[in-house]
Amino acid sequence: NAGVTQTPKFRVLKTGQSMTLLCAQDMNHEYMYWYRQDPGMGLRLIHYSVGEGTTAKGEVPDGYNVSRLKKQNFLLGLESAAPSQTSVYFCASSRGFRGDTEAFFGQGTRLTVV
Amino acid sequence: AQTVTQSQPEMSVQEAETVTLSCTYDTSESDYYLFWYKQPPSRQMILVIRQEAYKQQNATENRFSVNFQKAAKSFSLKISDSQLGDAAMYFCAYRPYNTNAGKSTFGDGTTLTVKP
Repeated sequence: NAGVTQTPKFRVLKTGQSMTLLCAQDMNHEYMYWYRQDPGMGLRLIHYSVGEGTTAKGEVPDGYNVSRLKKQNFLLGLESAAPSQTSVYFCASSRGFRGDTEAFFGQGTRLTVV
Repeated sequence: AQTVTQSQPEMSVQEAETVTLSCTYDTSESDYYLFWYKQPPSRQMILVIRQEAYKQQNATENRFSVNFQKAAKSFSLKISDSQLGDAAMYFCAYRPYNTNAGKSTFGDGTTLTVKP
């Protein structure tokens, strides 16, 4: 079972460049999320989606955009990358809304902005 | 706002010994969930154990158990018979009961080293 797959796994960008991170899940989950993890810190929610065609802001949304055109895919875009966006990005998905629903995580994308 | 504090940035344990990782949280909610996640060098976030706040009984999953003290807002993880494969960063997380499953608040993590 693939679960949650993130593409790419590593990327180096120059300041001002743009890129899109792709998250795909094969579990038919309604909810999907993008997080960033900075050194020595836990995950912080960037944006999330509660279903196809919907998106919402999380804790740290500035500088990022997202789209959920298909239920299985959740895209994270950086329009003009900044060194402060150097981080490890995680995607996750969950079946439903309830707090006891487990979130399944991808393996992360390490992004460096130089 | 909810906060989660892991006061031990690093811990080490001898193989086969027991180690306890600490976590405290701050909330005004009465119903919530608490989680421990393991993140090995592969970066994969793995759910280790989950505790529902309304349950007084501490959760247990094989060698992993928690000591949940609701009044003290404390949620520690005990790893018994530590194995080399337990070496990882461990995150404590909190989520209110009626909250989107992805909107957990995470602590800053504890890096666990297991010595052979």
